Amino acid sequence: EAQVTQNPRYLITVTGKKLTVTCSQNMNHEYMSWYRQDPGLGLRQIYYSMNVEVTDKGDVPEGYKVSRKEKRNFPLILESPSPNQTSLYFCASSSGLAGGSVTGELFFGEGSRLTVL
Amino acid sequence: GENVEQHPSTLSVQEGDSAVIKCTYSDSASNYFPWYKQELGKRPQLIIDIRSNVGEKKDQRIAVTLNKTAKHFSLHITETQPEDSAVYFCGQPNFGNEKLTFGTGTRLTIIP
Repeated sequence: EAQVTQNPRYLITVTGKKLTVTCSQNMNHEYMSWYRQDPGLGLRQIYYSMNVEVTDKGDVPEGYKVSRKEKRNFPLILESPSPNQTSLYFCASSSGLAGGSVTGELFFGEGSRLTVL
Repeated sequence: GENVEQHPSTLSVQEGDSAVIKCTYSDSASNYFPWYKQELGKRPQLIIDIRSNVGEKKDQRIAVTLNKTAKHFSLHITETQPEDSAVYFCGQPNFGNEKLTFGTGTRLTIIP
């Protein structure tokens, strides 16, 4: 079954304790991305990756890191989480790229709800 | 980054009536315009998209229209049903930098 898998789905942590949210896709997609969803703010892009070893900042990258060492995996790293990073996080992937733009369906994972105390 | 404005933020319609959600974008080079639906507690899923070489696309009760001159595109849902209740997001790819920006969402409620 084609899917995007995120872990953990739920996490409560404390300020400053490093954490990683994993994301894996089995569709051989080149494009992967992380979004955070907050009430009233919609889906905001954190980082994206065009392919292995190619990553770039989205609209809200502060406080986050990513890596793309393998095509299928795109982990999101919070080196020193703070309460303002409490949010619902979605990983997504797509095969639709043309002319330097995303032009195809984004497949989302189920989401990871993170609470930072 | 490029902006996409989505209106209204909330919308309630009587079951059977039509609903329209509009997005205005800023990147004139954009050539792909998707709409995503997010049911409560679930992930966003693509419901319809349109490319810039057409002005309208339909899929059963949903349709998307595009006005490139005015730089806006709209989602139309006809004969609304309770299962249409969800949050809807429009998307705008940024030409040349692989970002995909979403609108802030419209919470659609269908009143039985």
